[in-house]
Amino acid sequence: GNSVTQMEGPVTLSEEAFLTINCTYTATGYPSLFWYVQYPGEGLQLLLKATKADDKGSNKGFEATYRKETTSFHLEKGSVQVSDSAVYFCALSETASGTYKYIFGTGTRLKVLA
Amino acid sequence: GAVVSQHPSRVICKSGTSVKIECRSLDFQATTMFWYRQFPKQSLMLMATSNEGSKATYEQGVEKDKFLINHASLTLSTLTVTSAHPEDSSFYICSARVPGRQSYGYTFGSGTRLTVV
Repeated sequence: GNSVTQMEGPVTLSEEAFLTINCTYTATGYPSLFWYVQYPGEGLQLLLKATKADDKGSNKGFEATYRKETTSFHLEKGSVQVSDSAVYFCALSETASGTYKYIFGTGTRLKVLA
Repeated sequence: GAVVSQHPSRVICKSGTSVKIECRSLDFQATTMFWYRQFPKQSLMLMATSNEGSKATYEQGVEKDKFLINHASLTLSTLTVTSAHPEDSSFYICSARVPGRQSYGYTFGSGTRLTVV
């Protein structure tokens, strides 16, 4: 079945460091891919998305490119801030089944130190 | 736009009692809502898909008699945890498909942290 694999955290970085959180997926058809962010005590917020191969999603300095050849959607940011500390979830949407269910990765906790 | 309001945000209940969690779409009609459960330090697991005016579809392994879902209107879906036990303690999150935005990302509620003592 479809699945999403994320790098395990926690990831601890100093402010202004470069961030990469790896995400790979297994899916039939052509899923849409997403990154969601969850701040402490809150629900999930959509960070960025890509709906087809080679699309690049970007928001708030974060970027991720839909790579079909490597089935990856790695999240990157050039210079992290303390306020970026949160849990990041990679997800895919199963479009083939028509139900648009989401499958989430296990989440990666990011901690940015001042 | 496309806001989903979920409440309560936190609830503590005694073992054996029932708890109702509400999820409302504030500025759109949500024909389909999804209920997720998140264990500490784990990902979200889809529990069920709630469709307005019909029975919910439960994922394998989810007890439908324990987790009652009602989607009686286009703006409200409820999840009732019946006869709650400590192992039901978790973070429950709903999400809704926004019309016209198909797979472009769903809107999530802010979650409900349930603690059963």
